[in-house]
Amino acid sequence: EAGVTQSPTHLIKTRGQQATLRCSPISGHTSVYWYQQALGLGLQFLLWYDEGEERNRGNFPPRFSGRQFPNYSSELNVNALELEDSALYLCASSLGFTGFGYTFGSGTRLTVV
Amino acid sequence: DAKTTQPNSMESNEEEPVHLPCNHSTISGTDYIHWYRQLPSQGPEYVIHGLTSNVNNRMASLAIAEDRKSSTLILHRATLRDAAVYYCILSRRGGGGATNKLIFGTGTLLAVQP
Repeated sequence: EAGVTQSPTHLIKTRGQQATLRCSPISGHTSVYWYQQALGLGLQFLLWYDEGEERNRGNFPPRFSGRQFPNYSSELNVNALELEDSALYLCASSLGFTGFGYTFGSGTRLTVV
Repeated sequence: DAKTTQPNSMESNEEEPVHLPCNHSTISGTDYIHWYRQLPSQGPEYVIHGLTSNVNNRMASLAIAEDRKSSTLILHRATLRDAAVYYCILSRRGGGGATNKLIFGTGTLLAVQP
Protein backbone atom coordinates (compact mmCIF):
# COMPACT_ATOMS: atom_id res chain seq x y z
CA GLU A 1 0.00 0.00 0.00
CA ALA A 2 1.42 3.38 -0.98
CA GLY A 3 1.94 5.81 1.88
CA VAL A 4 1.27 9.51 1.94
CA THR A 5 3.16 11.10 -0.91
CA GLN A 6 4.22 14.71 -1.09
CA SER A 7 5.64 16.70 -3.95
CA PRO A 8 7.96 18.27 -4.63
CA THR A 9 10.56 17.01 -2.16
CA HIS A 10 12.41 20.31 -2.25
CA LEU A 11 11.29 23.73 -3.41
CA ILE A 12 13.28 26.94 -3.64
CA LYS A 13 11.39 30.20 -4.08
CA THR A 14 12.17 33.88 -3.96
CA ARG A 15 10.61 36.15 -1.37
CA GLY A 16 7.26 37.45 -2.60
CA GLN A 17 6.57 34.48 -4.88
CA GLN A 18 3.91 31.83 -4.42
CA ALA A 19 4.55 28.19 -3.53
CA THR A 20 2.27 25.24 -4.20
CA LEU A 21 2.76 21.99 -2.32
CA ARG A 22 0.88 18.79 -3.05
CA CYS A 23 -0.17 15.79 -1.00
CA SER A 24 -1.75 12.47 -1.91
CA PRO A 25 -3.26 10.63 1.08
CA ILE A 26 -3.36 6.93 1.66
CA SER A 27 -6.08 5.30 -0.41
CA GLY A 28 -9.35 5.45 1.49
CA HIS A 29 -8.28 8.24 3.82
CA THR A 30 -10.56 11.25 3.62
CA SER A 31 -8.83 13.62 6.05
CA VAL A 32 -5.67 15.53 5.19
CA TYR A 33 -3.68 17.62 7.64
CA TRP A 34 -0.91 20.12 6.96
CA TYR A 35 1.84 21.00 9.43
CA GLN A 36 4.80 23.36 9.32
CA GLN A 37 8.08 22.44 10.97
CA ALA A 38 10.61 25.26 11.02
CA LEU A 39 14.24 24.31 11.67
CA GLY A 40 14.74 23.25 15.26
CA LEU A 41 11.09 23.74 16.16
CA GLY A 42 8.14 21.45 16.67
CA LEU A 43 5.29 20.82 14.29
CA GLN A 44 2.77 23.63 14.00
CA PHE A 45 -0.72 22.72 12.84
CA LEU A 46 -1.74 24.56 9.67
CA LEU A 47 -4.91 23.12 8.15
CA TRP A 48 -7.27 20.16 8.27
CA TYR A 49 -9.41 19.10 5.32
CA ASP A 50 -12.04 16.42 5.26
CA GLU A 51 -14.45 15.48 2.50
CA GLY A 52 -13.36 18.49 0.50
CA GLU A 53 -13.99 21.05 3.22
CA GLU A 54 -11.67 23.00 5.49
CA ARG A 55 -12.49 21.78 9.02
CA ASN A 56 -9.96 23.60 11.12
CA ARG A 57 -7.17 26.09 10.76
CA GLY A 58 -4.11 26.86 12.85
CA ASN A 59 -2.78 30.27 13.82
CA PHE A 60 -1.37 31.23 10.42
CA PRO A 61 -2.07 34.27 8.22
CA PRO A 62 -4.54 34.04 5.31
CA ARG A 63 -1.74 33.83 2.78
CA PHE A 64 -1.53 30.18 3.82
CA SER A 65 -4.43 28.47 2.10
CA GLY A 66 -5.29 25.18 0.54
CA ARG A 67 -7.91 22.92 -0.83
CA GLN A 68 -8.88 19.28 -1.06
CA PHE A 69 -9.87 17.71 -4.34
CA PRO A 70 -12.63 15.12 -4.99
CA ASN A 71 -9.99 12.36 -4.94
CA TYR A 72 -8.99 13.59 -1.44
CA SER A 73 -5.59 14.81 -2.53
CA SER A 74 -4.71 18.24 -1.23
CA GLU A 75 -2.78 21.34 -2.15
CA LEU A 76 -1.20 23.91 0.15
CA ASN A 77 -0.60 27.36 -1.27
CA VAL A 78 1.60 29.96 0.34
CA ASN A 79 1.34 33.43 -1.19
CA ALA A 80 3.69 36.38 -0.80
CA LEU A 81 6.46 34.19 0.56
CA GLU A 82 8.55 35.50 3.43
CA LEU A 83 11.96 34.28 4.54
CA GLU A 84 10.48 32.83 7.73
CA ASP A 85 8.23 30.55 5.68
CA SER A 86 11.30 28.40 5.06
CA ALA A 87 10.45 25.09 6.72
CA LEU A 88 9.56 21.47 6.26
CA TYR A 89 5.88 21.17 5.36
CA LEU A 90 4.36 17.87 6.37
CA CYS A 91 1.11 16.34 5.22
CA ALA A 92 -0.72 13.59 7.09
CA SER A 93 -3.86 11.63 6.34
CA SER A 94 -6.31 9.65 8.40
CA LEU A 95 -9.65 7.90 8.09
CA GLY A 96 -12.06 10.77 8.55
CA PHE A 97 -13.09 11.55 12.10
CA THR A 98 -11.00 8.92 13.82
CA GLY A 99 -8.04 10.99 14.98
CA PHE A 100 -6.07 7.80 15.16
CA GLY A 101 -3.24 6.42 13.16
CA TYR A 102 -2.25 9.55 11.34
CA THR A 103 0.18 8.68 8.56
CA PHE A 104 2.65 11.35 7.62
CA GLY A 105 4.47 11.92 4.38
CA SER A 106 8.17 12.74 4.24
CA GLY A 107 7.48 16.41 3.65
CA THR A 108 8.39 19.20 1.28
CA ARG A 109 11.41 21.30 2.21
CA LEU A 110 10.58 24.88 1.23
CA THR A 111 13.42 27.36 1.12
CA VAL A 112 12.69 31.04 0.59
CA VAL A 113 15.63 33.15 -0.51
CA ASP B 1 -5.81 23.19 23.75
CA ALA B 2 -4.59 20.63 26.23
CA LYS B 3 -0.80 20.73 26.57
CA THR B 4 1.76 18.06 27.29
CA THR B 5 5.11 18.40 29.04
CA GLN B 6 8.06 16.19 28.17
CA PRO B 7 11.76 16.28 29.02
CA ASN B 8 13.80 17.87 26.26
CA SER B 9 16.17 14.95 25.96
CA MET B 10 16.98 11.51 27.34
CA GLU B 11 19.74 8.98 26.86
CA SER B 12 19.63 5.24 26.85
CA ASN B 13 21.96 2.36 26.19
CA GLU B 14 21.27 -0.13 23.46
CA GLU B 15 19.31 -3.23 24.52
CA GLU B 16 18.07 -1.52 27.69
CA PRO B 17 14.48 -0.45 28.39
CA VAL B 18 13.55 3.19 28.01
CA HIS B 19 10.77 4.99 29.86
CA LEU B 20 9.72 8.27 28.25
CA PRO B 21 7.48 10.34 30.55
CA CYS B 22 4.74 12.79 29.62
CA ASN B 23 2.64 15.04 31.82
CA HIS B 24 -0.78 16.15 30.66
CA SER B 25 -2.45 17.53 33.77
CA THR B 26 -5.14 19.41 31.80
CA ILE B 27 -6.36 16.34 29.93
CA SER B 28 -10.11 16.10 29.55
CA GLY B 29 -12.20 12.97 29.82
CA THR B 30 -12.46 12.33 26.10
CA ASP B 31 -8.87 13.13 25.11
CA TYR B 32 -6.84 10.27 23.70
CA ILE B 33 -3.10 10.08 24.35
CA HIS B 34 -0.99 9.52 21.26
CA TRP B 35 2.73 8.95 20.82
CA TYR B 36 4.55 9.62 17.60
CA ARG B 37 8.23 9.64 16.82
CA GLN B 38 10.20 11.48 14.18
CA LEU B 39 13.43 10.12 12.82
CA PRO B 40 15.87 12.53 11.19
CA SER B 41 14.70 13.83 7.81
CA GLN B 42 11.39 11.96 8.00
CA GLY B 43 7.81 12.73 8.86
CA PRO B 44 6.46 11.62 12.25
CA GLU B 45 5.55 7.97 12.64
CA TYR B 46 2.67 6.66 14.74
CA VAL B 47 3.83 4.63 17.74
CA ILE B 48 0.86 3.97 20.00
CA HIS B 49 -2.26 5.54 21.49
CA GLY B 50 -4.60 4.93 24.41
CA LEU B 51 -7.47 6.34 26.44
CA THR B 52 -7.51 4.87 29.95
CA SER B 53 -6.02 1.41 29.96
CA ASN B 54 -2.42 0.44 29.34
CA VAL B 55 -1.71 -0.55 25.75
CA ASN B 56 0.83 -2.80 24.10
CA ASN B 57 1.80 -3.20 20.48
CA ARG B 58 4.77 -4.49 18.56
CA MET B 59 6.62 -1.20 18.87
CA ALA B 60 6.07 -0.17 22.47
CA SER B 61 3.87 -0.10 25.55
CA LEU B 62 1.88 2.81 26.90
CA ALA B 63 1.33 3.08 30.63
CA ILE B 64 -1.39 5.57 31.61
CA ALA B 65 -1.70 6.84 35.16
CA GLU B 66 -4.96 6.15 36.95
CA ASP B 67 -5.84 9.87 37.03
CA ARG B 68 -4.73 10.17 33.38
CA LYS B 69 -2.62 13.21 34.18
CA SER B 70 0.54 11.48 33.01
CA SER B 71 1.66 8.62 30.82
CA THR B 72 4.85 6.76 29.99
CA LEU B 73 5.99 5.33 26.68
CA ILE B 74 8.04 2.20 27.23
CA LEU B 75 10.49 0.87 24.68
CA HIS B 76 11.37 -2.57 26.02
CA ARG B 77 14.78 -2.90 24.34
CA ALA B 78 16.17 0.23 22.77
CA THR B 79 18.01 -0.09 19.49
CA LEU B 80 20.05 2.46 17.59
CA ARG B 81 17.12 2.82 15.20
CA ASP B 82 14.96 4.09 18.07
CA ALA B 83 16.97 7.31 18.25
CA ALA B 84 14.38 9.96 17.38
CA VAL B 85 12.24 12.77 18.75
CA TYR B 86 9.27 11.31 20.61
CA TYR B 87 6.07 13.35 20.79
CA CYS B 88 3.33 12.87 23.35
CA ILE B 89 0.10 14.35 22.01
CA LEU B 90 -3.50 14.69 23.10
CA SER B 91 -6.17 14.50 20.46
CA ARG B 92 -8.74 17.17 21.16
CA ARG B 93 -12.27 16.69 19.95
CA GLY B 94 -13.58 19.40 17.71
CA GLY B 95 -17.10 20.61 17.13
CA GLY B 96 -19.74 18.00 16.47
CA GLY B 97 -17.82 15.32 18.35
CA ALA B 98 -15.19 15.01 15.69
CA THR B 99 -11.61 14.34 16.71
CA ASN B 100 -9.40 16.50 14.63
CA LYS B 101 -5.99 18.06 14.80
CA LEU B 102 -3.05 16.76 16.75
CA ILE B 103 -1.14 19.45 18.63
CA PHE B 104 2.55 18.58 18.81
CA GLY B 105 4.82 19.84 21.59
CA THR B 106 8.60 19.97 21.33
CA GLY B 107 9.02 16.30 22.19
CA THR B 108 11.85 14.35 23.78
CA LEU B 109 15.03 13.74 21.83
CA LEU B 110 16.10 10.18 22.63
CA ALA B 111 19.75 9.31 22.12
CA VAL B 112 20.69 5.63 22.14
CA GLN B 113 24.27 4.74 22.91
CA PRO B 114 25.80 1.52 21.57
